[in-house]
Amino acid sequence: DGGITQSPKYLFRKEGQNVTLSCEQNLNHDAMYWYRQDPGQGLRLIYYSQIVNDFQKGDIAEGYSVSREKKESFPLTVTSAQKNPTAFYLCASRGTDRGSGNTIYFGEGSWLTVV
Amino acid sequence: DAKTTQPPSMDCAEGRAANLPCNHSTISGNEYVYWYRQIHSQGPQYIIHGLKNNETNEMASLIITEDRKSSTLILPHATLRDTAVYYCVLSGSARQLTFGSGTQLTVLP
Repeated sequence: DGGITQSPKYLFRKEGQNVTLSCEQNLNHDAMYWYRQDPGQGLRLIYYSQIVNDFQKGDIAEGYSVSREKKESFPLTVTSAQKNPTAFYLCASRGTDRGSGNTIYFGEGSWLTVV
Repeated sequence: DAKTTQPPSMDCAEGRAANLPCNHSTISGNEYVYWYRQIHSQGPQYIIHGLKNNETNEMASLIITEDRKSSTLILPHATLRDTAVYYCVLSGSARQLTFGSGTQLTVLP
């Protein structure tokens, strides 16, 4: 099936540790995004990438890092510098050609809890 | 970036139409209006989008005012499974993906 796969669904991290959240898409989309969502709040943009080997900071990039070595993959690392990392993380992708239009599709999300 | 304004919550009786408003008074000419919904602990689900004209699909209808400063999402026959948070989002360039707090729609039996 086509879509966006995020893993793991649930992740627990000890303070001071880095963790990496995986996001893979088989929609052949050029653009990919990472959002953070806190309970009862909307989505905030962390990082986005419009093409392989290129990415840009979003509104809340501090304490996070990304890479885009392959078109289908856009992993997010939550570093120890992120002071309040407990949140729901959402990956999304969007095509930029006429066939797929500009619709953004989301994965099912990853819950990160710092213990 | 352009932003949207939505009421924080709305109720609707099951089987009736649910009309969810959104204000986007600073929308740019090339920005589309998108609607998504999110059920707790799941990723947002795409519903519908439009630029200038009204749109309809199997899930909903989207009414955009002529000046494009506001829009309304219509769920024609709401069911209990439509209970969710609904987001009105503007999408132009990749940088302009602004999510507000959305509207919590509760469909009542």
